[in-house]
Amino acid sequence: GENVEQHPSTLSVQEGDSAVIKCTYSDSASNYFPWYKQELGKRPQLIIDIRSNVGEKKDQRIAVTLNKTAKHFSLHITETQPEDSAVYFCAASGSTSGTYKYIFGTGTRLKVLA
Amino acid sequence: DAGITQSPRHKVTETGTPVTLRCHQTENHRYMYWYRQDPGHGLRLIHYSYGVKDTDKGEVSDGYSVSRSKTEDFLLTLESATSSQTSVYFCAISPGPTGELFFGEGSRLTVL
Repeated sequence: GENVEQHPSTLSVQEGDSAVIKCTYSDSASNYFPWYKQELGKRPQLIIDIRSNVGEKKDQRIAVTLNKTAKHFSLHITETQPEDSAVYFCAASGSTSGTYKYIFGTGTRLKVLA
Repeated sequence: DAGITQSPRHKVTETGTPVTLRCHQTENHRYMYWYRQDPGHGLRLIHYSYGVKDTDKGEVSDGYSVSRSKTEDFLLTLESATSSQTSVYFCAISPGPTGELFFGEGSRLTVL
């Protein structure tokens, strides 16, 4: 079945610096790769996603890149701000034998230091 | 926020007792998921449903069963709760298999 690995597990950056989180997936049938942000005590919420027919997607300070050949995708946050501090999860979804499983990575705790 | 509610939000129970968590949606979404969240493990898929009476196992399904008799409700049952099932359980819904998941607020279960 699908397996999603995420690194690093924790990341501390100075305010204004960039942050990069990386994920790899195992199932070549996966074709949807979202990123979720979870603030302390809250539910996860989608921040950006990418589909397998696209290599890169950007939304203001955040961007996601996808390398299907290598089966990895990354989240890039530029000009980090204290409110970016949260846990970030990558995920992969795709069909194996007709049913879909939506599998998450283990999460990255990002701390933005003021 | 999408119309999704979980109940109960908090529960403390004893080892060996049955527990049922309910996820209710008002969005008429086809896909519903149950995840558990534990430190260091992220969000792990327990079971999911792709339609009424259509369910499948996730990564950590042992000790859990689910039922979906109507579109709006997805029940997660622990037949005989164990301490290892102490966790925060999240329900999520989606209109399709590849799209945004909308999460409920979570249910914190403590098994003593």
